[in-house]
Amino acid sequence: DIQMTQSPASLSASLGETISIECRASEDIYSNLAWYQQKSGKSPQLLIYAANRLQDGVPSRFSGSGSGTQYSLKISGMQPEDEGDYFCLQGSKFPWTFGGGTKLELK
Amino acid sequence: QVTLKESGPGILQPSQTLSLTCTFSGFSLSTYGMGVGWIRQPSGKGLEWLANIWWDDDKYYNPSLKNRLTISKDTSNNQAFLKITNVDTADTATYYCARIPMGITPDYWGQGVMVTVSS
Repeated sequence: DIQMTQSPASLSASLGETISIECRASEDIYSNLAWYQQKSGKSPQLLIYAANRLQDGVPSRFSGSGSGTQYSLKISGMQPEDEGDYFCLQGSKFPWTFGGGTKLELK
Repeated sequence: QVTLKESGPGILQPSQTLSLTCTFSGFSLSTYGMGVGWIRQPSGKGLEWLANIWWDDDKYYNPSLKNRLTISKDTSNNQAFLKITNVDTADTATYYCARIPMGITPDYWGQGVMVTVSS
């Protein structure tokens, strides 16, 4: 199975701060990576797919980058509604696997 | 508008079979490239992918569940199903179904259904 190592596990950011979350795959996943936001008690919402493609309706302050085994999600200007858990998902090879998650809080 | 909703028994006993239904609208599982997947999340923990089924009835399962999974679909009624045999307390989780359009990982997710395995 492809292991997805996500960091940091938790993060506290100030209003307007730019933050990054990383996912490292145990092998090349050829940009088959998605990022999700999950708010407390809710289902995950797709933010980014194919490593850097913004899902329709997602604010442009969210962006994704990376290739090979290294990927990142950037939030350019933290907003209160960005609090939540963030997960990456590799869809390159079955079984699909998720990163361990990052808990993002507003400082 | 794409929507999905999961339904299940709520609580069941160890060794029983868990049967889950995903009822969806706004897309068809007969459309070329379309798929539905099942994912679960124990309370306070991360996500685990379970299985996918595709428009052509192709299926993929997470081998970690050791042949306990069966995924199926009813295209005419816009439903997908997941069965997990011989459940135990480790299967206690919120179970989600999600749409998987071709070339993209799951985009729309259901609200989830909580399942508790307890004697």
